[in-house]
Parts: sequence; C-alpha cells; structure tokens
Amino acid sequence: DAGVIQSPRHEVTEMGQEVTLRCKPISGHNSLFWYRQTMMRGLELLIYFNNNVPIDDSGMPEDRFSAKMPNASFSTLKIQPSEPRDSAVYFCASSVDSYGYTFGSGTRLTVV
Amino acid sequence: RKEVEQDPGPFNVPEGATVAFNCTYSNSASQSFFWYRQDCRKEPKLLMSVYSSGNEDGRFTAQLNRASQYISLLIRDSKLSDSATYLCVVTSYSTLTFGKGTMLLVSP
Repeated sequence: DAGVIQSPRHEVTEMGQEVTLRCKPISGHNSLFWYRQTMMRGLELLIYFNNNVPIDDSGMPEDRFSAKMPNASFSTLKIQPSEPRDSAVYFCASSVDSYGYTFGSGTRLTVV
Repeated sequence: RKEVEQDPGPFNVPEGATVAFNCTYSNSASQSFFWYRQDCRKEPKLLMSVYSSGNEDGRFTAQLNRASQYISLLIRDSKLSDSATYLCVVTSYSTLTFGKGTMLLVSP
C-alpha cells in the first residue's frame, strides 16, 4: 500500500495567488482529514470528510479556504487568494472511521 | 483552556535516561487516547494507544487517568533515535485533537 499521497511536497507562491493541495487517501479508508501545522498553533483540524461528505468544517479559517472530495480516492484543499499567514505544513490523513489513522507526508506551503 | 495541553520542552536527556511526559485534556467525553511521534519535517506517526489499565510497549509505558483527565508517557533507557516531538492525542467521535507536542533531545 502506498499510504496517503499528497502533492505537491513543497509549494512557494506569491500572495494573492490560488493554491491547490491534493490528497489521495488509502484505498478502502472512508474518512479523510485536512490538518494545518504551524509552530505557534500546532496541528489544527481544518475539515473532515466521511464517505466523501464534509462532516465538520468548523476549523476552516475563513472563506478563502475550500475543500472538496469528489470521489473516494481524491480530495483537494484550495486557498484563494493566498496570504503570507497561510504559510504552514498542510497534512492530509485518512482512516476507517477512527481506526488506522495515517498521515501523508504533507505539503509545505510558503506564501511570499 | 486548550483542549490538549503539553509542556513543549525541550527535554534534554543523556542516553540511557528515563524521561516522562505528561498531558492534560479538557473534554471529559474524549473516547480514545494516543501518543504520536513526529520527527523533524516529517508526518506524525502513531507510537501507541493509551488505555486506562496502563500499557507497555518495550521501553515505552503509557498511562491514562480519566478522573484527572491526564495522560502520561514514560520512556526508559533512552536512545539517540528517540529524539523527536511526542504528541498527545485525544479523540471525540472520529476526529483527533492534538497537543502541540513535547520535544525530546537525547544526547550521547
């Protein structure tokens, strides 16, 4: 099993640009999570999908952030427009309900 | 009050030492408890689950006190390879809530 696959690994973009982060969960996992990690705030849950349906998006910081899961094998997190304070490592994780929780390698985003 | 609180450290210990980390959580309805390990610039990985009866995995021992809402991790005979950040994690329903982690540095 290839695990949770995230792309890109690194992204550097200018303020105001649109950024799209991608995630492929482990096959058979029915839950998918997007987290953001910074030194100041640690790991924060942004949004959680179960069976492709968004269940809890209360962690999404503002309207500039959106997430989709069009099918069981793919999810995107989009930031439009990006700002320097969005710079962080974004992790995707998947699980079968609350079991087998596995993280991807993360996307390190820098907005300049 | 933060949901999961940990001492950020760093804890600097020599090889062979015993070190203990503590964590408190605020949600009394939390259902499951874990310790994760995160190496520098890597993703968090599950170290061990934590049970009320206490559980051991080699040099690692985890304890849970539900009444005090307190979780601990004990590492015996520290190795250089134990250097990492240790994250305390609690679950409510299917989501994990992470502490900000405690950094451990093991020196020769």
